[in-house]
Amino acid sequence: AQKVTQAQTEISVVEKEDVTLDCVYETRDTTYYLFWYKQPPSGELVFLIRRNSFDEQNEISGRYSWNFQKSTSSFNFTITASQVVDSAVYFCALSEEGGADGLTFGKGTHLIIQP
Amino acid sequence: GAVVSQHPSRVICKSGTSVKIECRSLDFQATTMFWYRQFPKQSLMLMATSNEGSKATYEQGVEKDKFLINHASLTLSTLTVTSAHPEDSSFYICSAGGRGYGYTFGSGTRLTVV
Repeated sequence: AQKVTQAQTEISVVEKEDVTLDCVYETRDTTYYLFWYKQPPSGELVFLIRRNSFDEQNEISGRYSWNFQKSTSSFNFTITASQVVDSAVYFCALSEEGGADGLTFGKGTHLIIQP
Repeated sequence: GAVVSQHPSRVICKSGTSVKIECRSLDFQATTMFWYRQFPKQSLMLMATSNEGSKATYEQGVEKDKFLINHASLTLSTLTVTSAHPEDSSFYICSAGGRGYGYTFGSGTRLTVV
């Protein structure tokens, strides 16, 4: 069965600090997809990234970067020079090729950026 | 980009009544939609997968008679919470798409049963 673990329940940093959100996943499939979503207090889910299991290239998008390592089953997310607007709950999620097409979410990490 | 419209955004209902939540794909056809539930300060849990023109597939532990899902067209899926009780109070959110090309989420519905 698939599982996503976000061990950090809450992280609080001061603005401009870099912060890394950890995500560890479990799956038996060789083909799967990993996602990160941002959920601000309003509740909607904001898509950040999607990565399939065959693409281990790290990705950078502005202040955001992702480190995908199949050897450790991790897909970590780093925010560089954090800003107050980055405050939200961040979810890592997984979908297995051989399973239902929906997403299995981690429990989320509440990120607080203090001014 | 793809947009999924979800209504209502908030609803308060009395215990024992039913509530219908709509999820529409605005600029694309969605053969499959997904319904999730999120309790306060918790993660999102997949409730069911809705397929156009066929019965929904429910996840283990989700009562199909309580959470009625209808996907009568390629752009509309509805979730009806029947005989709602306070423990059904939650944030319900739909999404369309698939793992191969990504998921688009609605804005969610906050249901409060009093």
